[in-house]
Amino acid sequence: QVQLVESGGGLVKPGGSLRLSCATSGFTFSDYYMSWIRQAPGKGLEWVSYISSSSSTIYYADSVKGRFTISRDNAKNSLYLQMNSLRAEDTAVYHCATYSSSSSFDHWGQGTLVTVSS
Amino acid sequence: DVVMTQSPLSLPVTLGQPASISCRSSQSLVHSDGNTYLNWFQQRPGQSPRRLIYKVSNRDSGVPDRFSGSGSGTDFTLKISRVEAEDVGVYYCMQGTHWPLTFGGGTKVEIK
Repeated sequence: QVQLVESGGGLVKPGGSLRLSCATSGFTFSDYYMSWIRQAPGKGLEWVSYISSSSSTIYYADSVKGRFTISRDNAKNSLYLQMNSLRAEDTAVYHCATYSSSSSFDHWGQGTLVTVSS
Repeated sequence: DVVMTQSPLSLPVTLGQPASISCRSSQSLVHSDGNTYLNWFQQRPGQSPRRLIYKVSNRDSGVPDRFSGSGSGTDFTLKISRVEAEDVGVYYCMQGTHWPLTFGGGTKVEIK
C-alpha cells in the first residue's frame, strides 16, 4: 500500500532553516508528481509547492517563493522541502502528497510539525 | 488566485439526516482540456486529509456511496445522504484547474 512518511520538523527560530523529508513506498515514486501542503494549527489547508516526476517543472505558493526549495531523489524514493528564512507564519504541519492526473492529492502523509518561534 | 468559498462554516447534523456543503469558486473551474478539477477532502479529528471526490463527482475507492459531488462552472456541492458518526470532521473543497492550487476554508460537520 502507498505510504508517505514525513520527517525533519521541529522548533526553529525566526530566520532559521529546516529540511523536511518524505520517504515513500508502495508505488513507483519516479512516475508520480508530488506536492507539499501545510496546515497551520487550527487552520485550513494551504498548498505550498509542486514538483513533476522528473523535477523539470516546479511551482511554489507566493507565500514561500524565494525561501523554500522543493526537490526529489527518485533513486531514494524521497521528496524534500528545504525551508530557509523561516517566519512565525510558517508554523504548521507539513504534509507531503502524491499529485494525480486528476489534478488532486490522492495520497497524504501524516505530516510533520514545524514550529517557528523565538 | 482562485478564491474558494465554502458554506456553511459549521454544520450540525442529526444522525441519519442529509447534509449539504456548498463550494463556490471566484473563476470557472473548467480547464482548457474540458475537465473540471474540483475535489473534496475529508479530515477527521486528529487525522490527515483524505480525498473523497475528484473531478466534481468521481468517488474515490472505498468512499461510501452516501457521499456524492455535483456542480459545474463555479458552483459545487458535496452531499451526504445520511450522516453517520464517522462522518464528523472538516470538509474541504480544492480546485486543481488553475495555479496556484487553492482550498476552501473548510466546513466542520458535527453531530447535533
